[in-house]
Amino acid sequence: GAVVSQHPSRVICKSGTSVKIECRSLDFQATTMFWYRQFPKQSLMLMATSNEGSKATYEQGVEKDKFLINHASLTLSTLTVTSAHPEDSSFYICSARDEYGGVGNEQFFGPGTRLTVL
Amino acid sequence: LAKTTQPISMDSYEGQEVNITCSHNNIATNDYITWYQQFPSQGPRFIIQGYKTKVTNEVASLFIPADRKSSTLSLPRVSLSDTAVYYCLVGDPPWGSASKIIFGSGTRLSIRP
Repeated sequence: GAVVSQHPSRVICKSGTSVKIECRSLDFQATTMFWYRQFPKQSLMLMATSNEGSKATYEQGVEKDKFLINHASLTLSTLTVTSAHPEDSSFYICSARDEYGGVGNEQFFGPGTRLTVL
Repeated sequence: LAKTTQPISMDSYEGQEVNITCSHNNIATNDYITWYQQFPSQGPRFIIQGYKTKVTNEVASLFIPADRKSSTLSLPRVSLSDTAVYYCLVGDPPWGSASKIIFGSGTRLSIRP
């Protein structure tokens, strides 16, 4: 199946700093990618839909100025957590749909990025 | 987006067949049913997808009754490595759509020796 990568796999930062997480579709192009957040023992929560060449669409309750999303190419979307605080510590996962080769409604998920804010 | 309901957790033993049922009473005509598996600290992995009746692949089977208001994921002869969270998702048509996936609570499956 198609592969989605994320970088870094884990990051530790100080409170108040910004952290950028990259999501790449390695062997396919994706006009749309999705960003999720997952707290321990909880389900994935959709944060936003990343659209190539246009603004991201954020879910209700997600601060767009805090979670900056840039989808500059058909294979790369970035999520920047600005002025991170300890409560932003979470597991961030991206996904992408292989719109021209995937199976049905299948989305391919990245391995996730563990963010810890001290 | 149709809401799904699954058992929060299930336990079983190695070698047994495990069936996880998901309810989706408000499923729309064009919706497909998809199951994902997630191990700790990893992204979800696609298991199987179907629209009606039965679908089988090398990993699992998916049974969907005629009314499509529920579905059952069947894992044959589970092993310890099948311990994971399983998510049932119901979503829009697959062709060219950028429809988002909303995850429910999932079922935490624990397999014992």
